[in-house]
Amino acid sequence: ETGVTQSPTHLIKTRGQQVTLRCSSQSGHNTVSWYQQALGQGPQFIFQYYREEENGRGNFPPRFSGLQFPNYSSELNVNALELDDSALYLCASSSGVGSGNTIYFGEGSWLTVV
Amino acid sequence: AQTVTQSQPEMSVQEAETVTLSCTYDTSESDYYLFWYKQPPSRQMILVIRQEAYKQQNATENRFSVNFQKAAKSFSLKISDSQLGDAAMYFCAYRRLGTSYDKVIFGPGTSLSVIP
Repeated sequence: ETGVTQSPTHLIKTRGQQVTLRCSSQSGHNTVSWYQQALGQGPQFIFQYYREEENGRGNFPPRFSGLQFPNYSSELNVNALELDDSALYLCASSSGVGSGNTIYFGEGSWLTVV
Repeated sequence: AQTVTQSQPEMSVQEAETVTLSCTYDTSESDYYLFWYKQPPSRQMILVIRQEAYKQQNATENRFSVNFQKAAKSFSLKISDSQLGDAAMYFCAYRRLGTSYDKVIFGPGTSLSVIP
């Protein structure tokens, strides 16, 4: 157990809808990152939040957005869902940025877009 | 841009035997970390081992060890005395140091099967 919890575990949405995924970071961790893992591929970095601010972003369109709350939990929001958004979404937490601190991953949220 | 390549989509090993998973990467940076992550069917990404680029000594964690060749940009994982629980997807990953955010770049993965 890494202490990183995600919800929901699985969900199905219709193309064009919006979805919110949630993540509780490990105790004491102030940094949360989100990754998208399509079937049969490695995870891809979406963005990172540090102390409630987005401080880094991967190659994902603006319809992928997020929030980090004062307790360092986080949300990933995806608007105007497309079929290609079907994937496992992984949340990861760590303490600080730019250092060698270990990143801990949650078990992910499976999103299916139909 | 940094990239990570794993040329073996699938590997298999007999229980108790040794297997080596290959990984190459491309970067122009000098300060970085390399990782091997294990992803079992539960889908949770588990850190197996990590290597700091500035360290010449290869990292070892129990039955897991790496062969880090910085000049060749090669980072292989050796699993000794393979166990049934080692069956999983293995991802090689890279993370640059000293940036304003921590972005881990993953390879495409190698699916490891362990034969009883």
